[in-house]
Amino acid sequence: SAVISQKPSRDICQRGTSLTIQCQVDSQVTMMFWYRQQPGQSLTLIATANQGSEATYESGFVIDKFPISRPNLTFSTLTVSNMSPEDSSIYLCSVFAGGRETQYFGPGTRLLVL
Amino acid sequence: QKEVEQNSGPLSVPEGAIASLNCTYSDRGSQSFFWYRQYSGKSPELIMSIYSNGDKEDGRFTAQLNKASQYVSLLIRDSQPSDSATYLCAVMGVDTGTASKLTFGTGTRLQVTL
Repeated sequence: SAVISQKPSRDICQRGTSLTIQCQVDSQVTMMFWYRQQPGQSLTLIATANQGSEATYESGFVIDKFPISRPNLTFSTLTVSNMSPEDSSIYLCSVFAGGRETQYFGPGTRLLVL
Repeated sequence: QKEVEQNSGPLSVPEGAIASLNCTYSDRGSQSFFWYRQYSGKSPELIMSIYSNGDKEDGRFTAQLNKASQYVSLLIRDSQPSDSATYLCAVMGVDTGTASKLTFGTGTRLQVTL
C-alpha cells in the first residue's frame, strides 16, 4: 500500500476565492488521481496527473477551474478556482500501489464554500 | 457511458448474520473489480479486489464475480456493528479511454444492528 497525506484536511472558503490542495505520497508513483465526492454521492474522477505532462481531465471538468500541478513523482496539487457553494465537497487524492491496479486514497480535504 | 449500479440501501442485518452486497456493471470488457468500505467522514478503504470469475475469500469477506452476468458481490460473514459503513463497488475498464480509471457505484449503506 501507500501512505498518502493531504493538506488541508478541511477548509471553509468564501465564494470567488481559490483553494490549493496538496497531496503527498510516501513513494514514487507514475499516476496520481484527483476525485470529488459531493455530499451523499459517490466518487467522481476529476483528472489524472502524470509527472512531466499535462493532466488529463474528465468530461465536465476543465483546467481553468481545476488546475493541477505534478512537479515530481511524490507530490501533486489541485486548485479549486473561483469557488461557488456547488464546489463544497470532499476532494480526494489517490494513487496506484501494491500492484494489479490497486488504488488507494488519501484522507481527503473537506471543503465548504459559503 | 460506463455505469456501475448498486442499491443505495440502507441494508440492515442483525449482528452475526451474513450481509450480501451486490453490484452490476455495464462495460462487458471490464477486467478489475474492487470493493471499498467508507465510514462516515472518512476516505474509501480498499477491502477486496477480484479479477477472475468465481469466489475470493479474505477473512470474513468473500467477493464473487460473474463476468457473463456482469455482476459482482461482496459477502460479509458474522457481521459486526463495526462493519456498518457504505460499501462502494468500483470497476476498471480496459479500453483506451477507461484503462486505469475506476468507475464507482453510488454505494450501499450497511447497518449492522445489535
